[in-house]
Amino acid sequence: GAVVSQHPSWVICKSGTSVKIECRSLDFQATTMFWYRQFPKQSLMLMATSNEGSKATYEQGVEKDKFLINHASLTLSTLTVTSAHPEDSSFYICSAPQGVQETQYFGPGTRLLVL
Amino acid sequence: GQNIDQPTEMTATEGAIVQINCTYQTSGFNGLFWYQQHAGEAPTFLSYNVLDGLEEKGRFSSFLSRSKGYSYLLLKELQMKDSASYLCAVPGSGGSYIPTFGRGTSLIVHP
Repeated sequence: GAVVSQHPSWVICKSGTSVKIECRSLDFQATTMFWYRQFPKQSLMLMATSNEGSKATYEQGVEKDKFLINHASLTLSTLTVTSAHPEDSSFYICSAPQGVQETQYFGPGTRLLVL
Repeated sequence: GQNIDQPTEMTATEGAIVQINCTYQTSGFNGLFWYQQHAGEAPTFLSYNVLDGLEEKGRFSSFLSRSKGYSYLLLKELQMKDSASYLCAVPGSGGSYIPTFGRGTSLIVHP
């Protein structure tokens, strides 16, 4: 199957700092990527759709100025959590669709802890 | 819009068979996916059904009935490592390319 990588796998930062998370499709091109957030024992929550060459589409309630998304190329999307606060601590996962049926291939996730 | 319903939690015994059900409503049908997510990890693809019937893949099988808006994932010869959350999902439809995921069924396999 297709492979999606995410970096870093975990990060600890101080409140007020910014954190950048990279999502890469390693063996296929992705014009669209999805960013999710998941709190412990809860379901995936879609944050935004990253579109190569255009602005990201954010879900209701997600602050676009706080969660900056840049789809720099057909294999790379980045999510920057700006001025992170403890409530932003979560598991962030990206996915990219591949194939005619648009199977979602997920990155391994990034665990963010804001102190 | 799209909606998916699946049970929140199920328990089963090692070596047994378990069936996880999923019902869905979509504006247009483009197939149905099952994903597995172990605690603390990202989901991984298990199966895809677009035609009615049963698709078998080793110990895991997935069934689809489009007329009933219904699918199930069948896990045979359960192992402890099968303890995970199982997500039912449909791709975007009706002009949207955003997939819809169910809330997941947490399966606990005990000895």
